[in-house]
Amino acid sequence: ETGVTQTPRHLVMGMTNKKSLKCEQHLGHNAMYWYKQSAKKPLELMFVYSLEERVENNSVPSRFSPECPNSSHLFLHLHTLQPEDSALYLCASSQDPGNYNEQFFGPGTRLTVL
Amino acid sequence: GQNIDQPTEMTATEGAIVQINCTYQTSGFNGLFWYQQHAGEAPTFLSYNVLDGLEEKGRFSSFLSRSKGYSYLLLKELQMKDSASYLCAVVDSNYQLIWGAGTKLIIKP
Repeated sequence: ETGVTQTPRHLVMGMTNKKSLKCEQHLGHNAMYWYKQSAKKPLELMFVYSLEERVENNSVPSRFSPECPNSSHLFLHLHTLQPEDSALYLCASSQDPGNYNEQFFGPGTRLTVL
Repeated sequence: GQNIDQPTEMTATEGAIVQINCTYQTSGFNGLFWYQQHAGEAPTFLSYNVLDGLEEKGRFSSFLSRSKGYSYLLLKELQMKDSASYLCAVVDSNYQLIWGAGTKLIIKP
C-alpha cells in the first residue's frame, strides 16, 4: 500500500465510450502525475499537476483530458480512444513536483480499448 | 536524444546474487532512481543515487558512476519475491525524469 489509490483497476471500453479514471493520494503531497505504461516500453509521462495547476503536458492527444479538483484527487477523462491507447495508466504523487523527489505510485488502471 | 538502456529480461537462482545494469545518455544528470514493480502492482522506490559510489540498503545495493553513465542494482540472497521488473530512471539537466523500459527479473528455485 503506497498511499495512492486508483479506480477502476480494470476497464474495457469501446472507441465511442466516455469514461474516467480516478486517483487519490493520502500522503499530503503537492504534485500528482499521470503515466502511460505499455509493455516493454518506458513509462511515458502524460501530465503533471502541482497544487492543482497543470505544469506539464507532454503532447498528449486531446482525447485524454486531465482534471485536478484539489491536491488529493486527480482524474483522467477518456473519450473516443483508439486501440493503441490500451495500456496500464499509472497515477503517482510526490511531495513537490521536482523530479529529484521519490514518486509514490498507485496500482494502475489496466485499460483495454476495443 | 536521451536514452536509458537496461536488459529486457534476466534469470537468476534463489539464494544467488544478480546485478542489473543501467546505462544512460542524457542531457545532464541530476540523479538516478531504481524502482521495483511486481506484476500488476505499483512501482515502488528502491534507491536514489546522485553521487558516485555504492549505496547499500539491506539485500539491495545501488552503484553509480557518473563519468561512465552507468549504474547497477545488486540484489543478494535472492528470494522468490524478488521476481519483478526493475525500472531505472535518470533526472536530466532540465529536471525531467527519463525512464528505462525496465528489466524483468525471473527467480528460479
